[in-house]
Amino acid sequence: AQKVTQTQTSISVVEKTTVTMDCVYETRDSSYFLFWYKQTASGEIVFLIRQDSYKKENATVGHYSLNFQKPKSSIGLIITATQIEDSAVYFCAMRRYNQGKLIFGQGTKLSIKP
Amino acid sequence: DTTVKQNPRYKLARVGKPVNLICSQTMNHDTMYWYQKKPNQAPKLLLFYYDKILNREADTFEKFQSSRPNNSFCSLYIGSAGLEYSAMYLCASSVGLGSAETLYFGSGTRLTVL
Repeated sequence: AQKVTQTQTSISVVEKTTVTMDCVYETRDSSYFLFWYKQTASGEIVFLIRQDSYKKENATVGHYSLNFQKPKSSIGLIITATQIEDSAVYFCAMRRYNQGKLIFGQGTKLSIKP
Repeated sequence: DTTVKQNPRYKLARVGKPVNLICSQTMNHDTMYWYQKKPNQAPKLLLFYYDKILNREADTFEKFQSSRPNNSFCSLYIGSAGLEYSAMYLCASSVGLGSAETLYFGSGTRLTVL
């Protein structure tokens, strides 16, 4: 069975610092896709960044980057130069190749303090 | 326009009464999803349409119905609402089943069952 686990319930950091959020997943597939989403205060879920399992290079988009460690089934999200507006709940998700289902982790609440 | 629209934003229902939630997208996406989101829990996939084919999750098979009269619209139907149905319902759409493409989420409908 596929499973995604985010063990950090909440994280609080000071503005302009770097934060890392952890995510581990379980799958027997060799090909799959990993995503990170952000849920804003209004409830909207917004796509941030994606990692394809067959790519060794860590994905980077703006001030978001990933730490993909395939042998450990781990996909961490790194946010550099954090801003107050980065405060949100962050979800890690996995999708099997050729499967429609996107499986989410429980989420990590990030609070950025001035 | 990468917008998925959901109506209504908030809905109040009585126990035992039916509930119908509406979702639309204008991106010509072939796949549309419905997720249930409860506080401090991962979004849970209820069902999805790939083109005209409905796929329902096994553990919620009897609780939710759906229809997709055309490519742009998808509804979620609850025949008899119970207190446990109180949650945020998120509609999403994407291109291709199991592709690397992300899901685009609507703002959600917050259902409260009394």
